[in-house]
Amino acid sequence: NAGVTQTPKFQVLKTGQSMTLQCAQDMNHNSMYWYRQDPGMGLRLIYYSASEGTTDKGEVPNGYNVSRLNKREFSLRLESAAPSQTSVYFCASSPRWGEQYFGPGTRLTVT
Amino acid sequence: RKEVEQDPGPFNVPEGATVAFNCTYSNSASQSFFWYRQDCRKEPKLLMSVYSSGNEDGRFTAQLNRASQYISLLIRDSKLSDSATYLCVGGNDYKLSFGAGTTVTVRA
Repeated sequence: NAGVTQTPKFQVLKTGQSMTLQCAQDMNHNSMYWYRQDPGMGLRLIYYSASEGTTDKGEVPNGYNVSRLNKREFSLRLESAAPSQTSVYFCASSPRWGEQYFGPGTRLTVT
Repeated sequence: RKEVEQDPGPFNVPEGATVAFNCTYSNSASQSFFWYRQDCRKEPKLLMSVYSSGNEDGRFTAQLNRASQYISLLIRDSKLSDSATYLCVGGNDYKLSFGAGTTVTVRA
């Protein structure tokens, strides 16, 4: 089992460019999440998907969109990147409340 | 105000020592609490859940004090491999709030 995989691992964007972060899990979990982690801030929830076909906003959804493509895959899209979106992005999946399995993260820099 | 607040540390301790640290939470409606561990530039991993009566997992002990709204983590007989950032997590429904973490460095 690969667990939770994320691509790409690193990305540099110019302001205004768009990109999609990919996430996939092979653990058959219903719930999936996208977080961003900034120094001194802790992980902040961007969007989550409680099950295939549903998505909901988290704490910091502005500037992002998501797609739950199927049970395995949950992607995060930045339509017009801004320097404030420079961060480390983690995808996670969960079999039950509180128990989350994270991917290795994507380090994004927006210049 | 952040929902979960932690002392960032670092806590520098010698091998074999005991180290303990707390985190406070502001939302009295929070029902469930957890400790996650995050190694440098890696993803967080679940360390343990925190139960109302307190619980142990090997050298790790977690306590919850609802009256004062804090949870604690104690590490006994520290190992070099315990060096990490420990994230305090609380929440209810689908919302988990993560603290910014407490860094522990165990030295030989």
